[in-house]
Amino acid sequence: AQSVTQPDIHITVSEGASLELRCNYSYGATPYLFWYVQSPGQGLQLLLKYFSGDTLVQGIKGFEAEFKRSQSSFNLRKPSVHWSDAAEYFCAVGLSGYSTLTFGKGTMLLVSP
Amino acid sequence: NAGVMQNPRHLVRRRGQEARLRCSPMKGHSHVYWYRQLPEEGLKFMVYLQKENIIDESGMPKERFSAEFPKEGPSILRIQQVVRGDSAAYFCASSPPTGAEAFFGQGTRLTVV
Repeated sequence: AQSVTQPDIHITVSEGASLELRCNYSYGATPYLFWYVQSPGQGLQLLLKYFSGDTLVQGIKGFEAEFKRSQSSFNLRKPSVHWSDAAEYFCAVGLSGYSTLTFGKGTMLLVSP
Repeated sequence: NAGVMQNPRHLVRRRGQEARLRCSPMKGHSHVYWYRQLPEEGLKFMVYLQKENIIDESGMPKERFSAEFPKEGPSILRIQQVVRGDSAAYFCASSPPTGAEAFFGQGTRLTVV
């Protein structure tokens, strides 16, 4: 069975600083990979996804992620964090597109002034 | 085009009562997915439905939980004889048949007292 590990439960970043959120997965083949963001009391919004092709993918809100097969990783990055980025971020993997996703436990991002 | 609508947003039930959670997919979407989010956990897949069919229920507890997606009307997640451990946020997502992006609703937060 596939699994997703997000090793950082909380991360605090100063506004304007760069951000990297880690995600490692365990799966026999190359899965479909996703990053979602959840604001308090809200649903999940898709930031970006990787299905195939270029391993560096661009998403919304200035986020990007890089798929590294050798490390089984799909880390999320942003060059300059804004206060509005404070939220919880979830990495997820899927067997076939968007169905039956397996989520990590999430990383809570706090942005300090 | 309204997003995925879930209601109620908050639901309080006493132990032993039934909980019915509703999910109206986006217009044109015939695939529905239910996920459960326990406190400080990621989302866990429960069930994947298409109109009038259960495609994958591998994440559904064997007892007390059921789901349906009738030809007309919303998808329903039903929990019979609720227990305190059922307290969680339940999220629904929908997607069109083409396998394009699944959109999440804002969730129903169930509290069992």
